Amino acid sequence: EPEVTQTPSHQVTQMGQEVILRCVPISNHLYFYWYRQILGQKVEFLVSFYNNEISEKSEIFDDQFSVERPDGSNFTLKIRSTKLEDSAMYFCASAAGNEKLFFGSGTQLSVL
Amino acid sequence: LAKTTQPISMDSYEGQEVNITCSHNNIATNDYITWYQQFPSQGPRFIIQGYKTKVTNEVASLFIPADRKSSTLSLPRVSLSDTAVYYCLGNLRGGGNNRKLIWGLGTSLAVNP
Repeated sequence: EPEVTQTPSHQVTQMGQEVILRCVPISNHLYFYWYRQILGQKVEFLVSFYNNEISEKSEIFDDQFSVERPDGSNFTLKIRSTKLEDSAMYFCASAAGNEKLFFGSGTQLSVL
Repeated sequence: LAKTTQPISMDSYEGQEVNITCSHNNIATNDYITWYQQFPSQGPRFIIQGYKTKVTNEVASLFIPADRKSSTLSLPRVSLSDTAVYYCLGNLRGGGNNRKLIWGLGTSLAVNP
């Protein structure tokens, strides 16, 4: 079965630093998403992306966050100035256009 | 988008059938029900989805009564590897470009030997 791949699997950074989380969605998919999950808590929607633009974003996705699809295969999430509360598992997901989302294995972000 | 309610945890034994019920009293006409499975430190994995009546695939069955205010995920003959968190979600049916999913805490299923 095709997979969504995410790198790195773990990222440790200092508060205030910029991080870029990378995702390679499934090749023929058109819809892309970022979710995050703080340990022991719910999965939270961050942003959806379609046709090279953001479709919807949550209140979590403030000005410190941005997404890009720079080369037609990668899909990145950038956090410009990380805060302690950004520590979480970040999941990328993609969909072909039906309702089934495929999730990656996540990037565990730790902000110190 | 429908708000869903499901039990926080369930216990079972290998070989048993497990039924996890989810209530979604305010489900809208355009909502359908989707179930995901999540293992620790992994991304959620799609299990099954349905709009009404019964849907079956190689992994599970999903029963949705006529009023669609609840649904039941049925896992036949569970094994230890089915120990995971199971999420019931409502999301818009078809069309559009928004697949935002509203997640609850899910049901933590523990399968014992």
